[in-house]
Amino acid sequence: DTGVSQDPRHKITKRGQNVTFRCDPISEHNRLYWYRQTLGQGPEFLTYFQNEAQLEKSRLLSDRFSAERPKGSFSTLEIQRTEQGDSAMYLCASSYGTPNFNYGYTFGSGTRLTVV
Amino acid sequence: GENVEQHPSTLSVQEGDSAVIKCTYSDSASNYFPWYKQELGKGPQLIIDIRSNVGEKKDQRIAVTLNKTAKHFSLHITETQPEDSAVYFCAATGANNLFFGTGTRLTVIP
Repeated sequence: DTGVSQDPRHKITKRGQNVTFRCDPISEHNRLYWYRQTLGQGPEFLTYFQNEAQLEKSRLLSDRFSAERPKGSFSTLEIQRTEQGDSAMYLCASSYGTPNFNYGYTFGSGTRLTVV
Repeated sequence: GENVEQHPSTLSVQEGDSAVIKCTYSDSASNYFPWYKQELGKGPQLIIDIRSNVGEKKDQRIAVTLNKTAKHFSLHITETQPEDSAVYFCAATGANNLFFGTGTRLTVIP
């Protein structure tokens, strides 16, 4: 297993366009997370899945954002009607979680989105 | 939710010296505390972690200590090398998502 993979690595889009990112987690991991990171800041939680169920969404995840994880494998994050404020690095992570513990948190290399 | 504070925000050390980064957390239910190293344009890379049932953990030049009572944990890097220069993040979690500190930019001067 090569770790968490994200595609594309970079995306430049015009304001108002829709974009979709993909994440392939570590196969043994049952949890998948999306984070957003802006320059000089730590990653901020957006949403997470356990298997195919989306269990938690941050207030940062406006109605223009939607995430899916069909069949509990890869995940997609779509941003509709992009705005300049959406420009950031979008990070995906996966882990193995139980009701009491969460471990093996591994991040992908991220997708850098630039909205022009 | 959890609130993680990290200090200092920048740290410069001479090659061969030690570096210490400190974090505090607010949620007593947090039980897992990883540290990540992030280089420019890359995702965070896990360098060491500690669970709440352990007070200290060491891996070669890197060590982490945890004080559950005071709710703080620290990263110690000894014999620093130029390739240690990066941004370091602490994080904390219970059973769900990670909460990150604001990061420390470490510069190791050759």
